[in-house]
Amino acid sequence: AQTVTQSQPEMSVQEAETVTLSCTYDTSENNYYLFWYKQPPSRQMILVIRQEAYKQQNATENRFSVNFQKAAKSFSLKISDSQLGDTAMYFCAFWGSQGNLIFGKGTKLSVKP
Amino acid sequence: NAGVTQTPKFRILKIGQSMTLQCAQDMNHNYMYWYRQDPGMGLKLIYYSVGAGITDKGEVPNGYNVSRSTTEDFPLRLELAAPSQTSVYFCASRSGPPDSNQPQHFGDGTRLSIL
Repeated sequence: AQTVTQSQPEMSVQEAETVTLSCTYDTSENNYYLFWYKQPPSRQMILVIRQEAYKQQNATENRFSVNFQKAAKSFSLKISDSQLGDTAMYFCAFWGSQGNLIFGKGTKLSVKP
Repeated sequence: NAGVTQTPKFRILKIGQSMTLQCAQDMNHNYMYWYRQDPGMGLKLIYYSVGAGITDKGEVPNGYNVSRSTTEDFPLRLELAAPSQTSVYFCASRSGPPDSNQPQHFGDGTRLSIL
């Protein structure tokens, strides 16, 4: 079975600082995709960043970057220059051959002024 | 740019009542999904569809039914509402097959309470 684990239920960071959210997953597949979604209090699910497992280069989207370690099955999200608007739940998700997203339980991130 | 539209946004039901959560997308996506999100948890897949006329069960299908008569619409039916179905429901769609990197597009969710 494919699983996604986020071991940090809550985290906080000071505005302008950097924070890293952890995610590990378990799968026997070789080709798959990984995503980070942001869910602000409005409940919308917003795609933050995606990573293809066959790509060795870590994905980057502006202030957001990932550290993808395929052998360790680790997919952490780094947020640089944290902003108040980054306050949200962050979900790591795995996309395998079955075609549906498998979500972790989420990390609640609070950015403090 | 409507994207994925869910109605209603909020609903309160009594135990045993029935209702249909509506989901429509205007992006001509073949793949559509229904998830539920319980408090403090991630999303769990209820049902999904790979095209009009084709549906399949996800991880937590009990107590729900779906249909996909058109590409645009993917309604979720609760026949006999139970308190365990109190949750936030998300509909999503995507264009590509499972082996592509096309992301899912989510609706804004429906908050459903069963009392």
